[in-house]
Amino acid sequence: EDQVTQSPEALRLQEGESSSLNCSYTVSGLRGLFWYRQDPGKGPEFLFTLYSAGEEKEKERLKATLTKKESFLHITAPKPEDSATYLCAVQDAGGGADGLTFGKGTHLIIQP
Amino acid sequence: DSGVTQTPKHLITATGQRVTLRCSPRSGDLSVYWYQQSLDQGLQFLIQYYNGEERAKGNILERFSAQQFPDLHSELNLSSLELGDSALYFCASSVMPSSNEQFFGPGTRLTVL
Repeated sequence: EDQVTQSPEALRLQEGESSSLNCSYTVSGLRGLFWYRQDPGKGPEFLFTLYSAGEEKEKERLKATLTKKESFLHITAPKPEDSATYLCAVQDAGGGADGLTFGKGTHLIIQP
Repeated sequence: DSGVTQTPKHLITATGQRVTLRCSPRSGDLSVYWYQQSLDQGLQFLIQYYNGEERAKGNILERFSAQQFPDLHSELNLSSLELGDSALYFCASSVMPSSNEQFFGPGTRLTVL
């Protein structure tokens, strides 16, 4: 069974204080690892897809990296508008199902 | 705005009742997914349709069912509702079943009293 564990559960940073969120995963075969951002009461917003170990993707202050066991979402010089819950998910290459398995998320608060 | 629409935004009903949630995928997307998000379980995959046919099931209860219509919109039917069914229900869509990017709608918040 696919499993995704995110840490920390919650993180409070000062504006401009860089940090990283962790996503550890167990999957029989990885088709893709996904990062989403979710604001309260809203649907998840797609950020990145990573396919293989060593891959990196960047978008504004966010950079996602992938190893064979985990992924990191690095946040550089965050702003208050980066406050949200960040969700990690995996898609299994086997089984025929394309549904994503999500972690429970990291609730990020950026204080001005 | 992802381009995926869901109605209604909120739904309040009583135990034992039946409700229908509706989803319209992004223009051009053929695959639709339903997810449930609760505080204790997080986001869980329920079921997937592709071009009108059921493609895969996840953690969907037997009391729940779904379908995708010829115009590609989808409906999720929840019956014999229990208090524990209270949650946010999201629909997502992708171009093809194997497409890696799934785009989520704004969700329907279901409250069962």
